[in-house]
Amino acid sequence: GQQVMQIPQYQHVQEGEDFTTYCNSSTTLSNIQWYKQRPGGHPVFLIQLVKSGEVKKQKRLTFQFGEAKKNSSLHITATQTTDVGTYFCAGPRLDSSYKLIFGSGTRLLVRP
Amino acid sequence: GAGVSQSPSNKVTEKGKDVELRCDPISGHTALYWYRQSLGQGLEFLIYFQGNSAPDKSGLPSDRFSAERTGGSVSTLTIQRTQQEDSAVYLCASSFGTRDEQYFGPGTRLTVT
Repeated sequence: GQQVMQIPQYQHVQEGEDFTTYCNSSTTLSNIQWYKQRPGGHPVFLIQLVKSGEVKKQKRLTFQFGEAKKNSSLHITATQTTDVGTYFCAGPRLDSSYKLIFGSGTRLLVRP
Repeated sequence: GAGVSQSPSNKVTEKGKDVELRCDPISGHTALYWYRQSLGQGLEFLIYFQGNSAPDKSGLPSDRFSAERTGGSVSTLTIQRTQQEDSAVYLCASSFGTRDEQYFGPGTRLTVT
């Protein structure tokens, strides 16, 4: 079945270091969404990418959608303790575009 | 309200009891979703409502789970004869349209003892 996988599962970095999480889909996606969930909180929408090869930036966060629209990445430059949380990617199902398949998430821990 | 609200925030129940979880979506959002998140896991789709259309119940794990959405707004998720494996955080989300970003509520943490 259709799958969305994320690596790594965990990442522990020193504050100021960069961080990247990768998202890979078993199928081509019409779009990909990224969410952030703080510890004890709920997922919060960050961004949606639609076009092949698209790159979007939000301050220190850079999001990229692969040329084949099967993979995506989120890169954080110079992490801060406020970046702590779990980052999920999600893509629409082939059979029902309103359903999102969420990746298992990458949990980011930042040492001050 | 400004965001999606859910109640209760926490629910502890004994095995075999029924529970009702409530979700108030953002006003004007036609799409409403329920998800389940077990500790340290991703989000598991449960059910989807869109306007007055028949809900997509394909993610409900068993017939003990049911949900309704009254008047196209408030939704309740009911779990009958709860089991310990039902313990999880139940998240509700709404969106303006079916392909738009989803806004999540704070969730209901359900513990079945």
